[in-house]
Amino acid sequence: DADVTQTPRNRITKTGKRIMLECSQTKGHDRMYWYRQDPGLGLRLIYYSFDVKDINKGEISDGYSVSRQAQAKFSLSLESAIPNQTALYFCATSDPPTRPGELFFGEGSRLTVL
Amino acid sequence: GQQLNQSPQSMFIQEGEDVSMNCTSSSIFNTWLWYKQDPGEGPVLLIALYKAGELTSNGRLTAQFGITRKDSFLNISASIPSDVGIYFCAGQRTLAGNKLTFGGGTRVLVKP
Repeated sequence: DADVTQTPRNRITKTGKRIMLECSQTKGHDRMYWYRQDPGLGLRLIYYSFDVKDINKGEISDGYSVSRQAQAKFSLSLESAIPNQTALYFCATSDPPTRPGELFFGEGSRLTVL
Repeated sequence: GQQLNQSPQSMFIQEGEDVSMNCTSSSIFNTWLWYKQDPGEGPVLLIALYKAGELTSNGRLTAQFGITRKDSFLNISASIPSDVGIYFCAGQRTLAGNKLTFGGGTRVLVKP
């Protein structure tokens, strides 16, 4: 079983709909992240959380919100989806003392907004 | 906006060839990392570099942390079909809260 699990893996929705992407992890890491991947742009950070009470905006947080329900769960919401939010979304975790810079990614959630 | 320029954007490999890719920045980074993404998967860390000038190998992969701390390269020797995928460089700055900045990726494909 994957250590970082994302649901759904694929989702097609319409403009204006609310969407939630969920992430759960069994690695016991405190730090969790949401990235989006677009061709040629690499991975860009949307939000990150260093523990349950800590939420921080990344470089492209507009149009997104997050919730850290527990150490193991970090969800990403699009309150009113728009077509340019069509992308591949990744959740990741890290445990800095072990290997600085190493992120453990889920398998991704592909979102298409029509 | 994106601060890491990764090149080439894509390349074709023939089995047995050596290939290289690089990443440059206008800013200094304290750590350079190279990740690989297989189709349908999330990226996985290949090599981490923590000191300017450092040269590190992981099997057929070799990466170097540029002496200016503004660049890094990754070499793959004797490429094999399973080397296909997208390779990302990433830089980390302590003063930026240790957040990673990713390059745009190099897509490695097999020559038909």
